[in-house]
Amino acid sequence: ELKVEQNPLFLSMQEGKNYTIYCNYSTTSDRLYWYRQDPGKSLESLFVLLSNGAVKQEGRLMASLDTKARLSTLHITAAVHDLSATYFCAPPEVQGAQKLVFGQGTRLTINP
Amino acid sequence: GAGVSQSPSNKVTEKGKDVELRCDPISGHTALYWYRQSLGQGLEFLIYFQGNSAPDKSGLPSDRFSAERTGGSVSTLTIQRTQQEDSAVYLCASSFGGPIYEQYFGPGTRLTVT
Repeated sequence: ELKVEQNPLFLSMQEGKNYTIYCNYSTTSDRLYWYRQDPGKSLESLFVLLSNGAVKQEGRLMASLDTKARLSTLHITAAVHDLSATYFCAPPEVQGAQKLVFGQGTRLTINP
Repeated sequence: GAGVSQSPSNKVTEKGKDVELRCDPISGHTALYWYRQSLGQGLEFLIYFQGNSAPDKSGLPSDRFSAERTGGSVSTLTIQRTQQEDSAVYLCASSFGGPIYEQYFGPGTRLTVT
């Protein structure tokens, strides 16, 4: 059974700082998705990482995937308050599957 | 274009009653998923439909839960004899067929069982 662990689960940081959220998963996977959820809202797709070594960037967020290490990272550069949200990573249950298994989520709070 | 829509947005029901939750996927998406999000359990997969294939029901927590998808489009999740532990936000998502496509989520239905 695939286990997905995010670290940290809670993160409070100041604007302008950099930080990284880690997503470890327990079985081989060929791709991984990152989602954002604002309080009381649904999930919004951020990144789709489709291969080992994939790196995607959007604004102050950058995501990467290392399938050999079973690790994905979401890096935040020069954080701004608008990035406050909960971030989820989700690899497929098994390689090639459409069913995703979500991590616990990392609640990020960025203070002015 | 229109995103995934769900109705109702909120549902309060008494323990023991049946409820139906509806999901309208994005037009053209062949895959449809139901998830449940609660404080204690995080985001749990419930069921997945892909085209005309038999659905993957492996995440349904009990036989009180069922779902159908009519005409390859709209889906209904039914919970019979609701229990308090069924209280959660039920999220629907859709995607194009094939494993590389991201899932687009609807706004969810918040179910409260009193």
